[in-house]
Amino acid sequence: EAGVTQFPSHSVIEKGQTVTLRCDPISGHDNLYWYRRVMGKEIKFLLHFVKESKQDESGMPNNRFLAERTGGTYSTLKVQPAELEDSGVYFCASSHLGYEQYFGPGTRLTVT
Amino acid sequence: AQSVTQLGSHVSVSEGALVLLRCNYSSSVPPYLFWYVQYPNQGLQLLLKYTSAATLVKGINGFEAEFKKSETSFHLTKPSAHMSDAAEYFCAVSMDSNYQLIWGAGTKLIIKP
Repeated sequence: EAGVTQFPSHSVIEKGQTVTLRCDPISGHDNLYWYRRVMGKEIKFLLHFVKESKQDESGMPNNRFLAERTGGTYSTLKVQPAELEDSGVYFCASSHLGYEQYFGPGTRLTVT
Repeated sequence: AQSVTQLGSHVSVSEGALVLLRCNYSSSVPPYLFWYVQYPNQGLQLLLKYTSAATLVKGINGFEAEFKKSETSFHLTKPSAHMSDAAEYFCAVSMDSNYQLIWGAGTKLIIKP
């Protein structure tokens, strides 16, 4: 069974540019989560999808961040325009029943 | 608001020595508790979880953790450290099976030969 995959593994962009991160959850997992770790800080929750619906987006930092989950399958997280403080590692996780969240390898975003 | 405190951003132990990583949480009701590990250049891997069953939880790679409600703690231990245990360890809590995880700051475990 394939695990959670994320693309790209690393992205370097300039301030003001747009970046789209992708997450493919484990097949059959209805729950999909996005988290972010800014350097030196703890991992923070961004949002939670149940199938294609946003269950909880209380952790989204501002309206420069837009998350979608097409047809309840893969999810994208777009940052537009990117700012320096958006740099960090973005993790995606999926779960079936919720007790165990399975994480992808993360996308390291560097905004210069 | 929920919070998780991991004592020590870095913990160094000798190979073969006891590993003890501390985690305390703030909650008025018993939450779900987790330990995750991140090896260098890899993603987060679940080590073990507490979901209101036995208070002593055994995980992978010889790790275990004990839930102590009176101390609001969920410390992670391993009797004998191995070089391959060098990684960053995260404690996390959730108030519901489908809720977001709230994370500690992480502890980097360093194993001395």
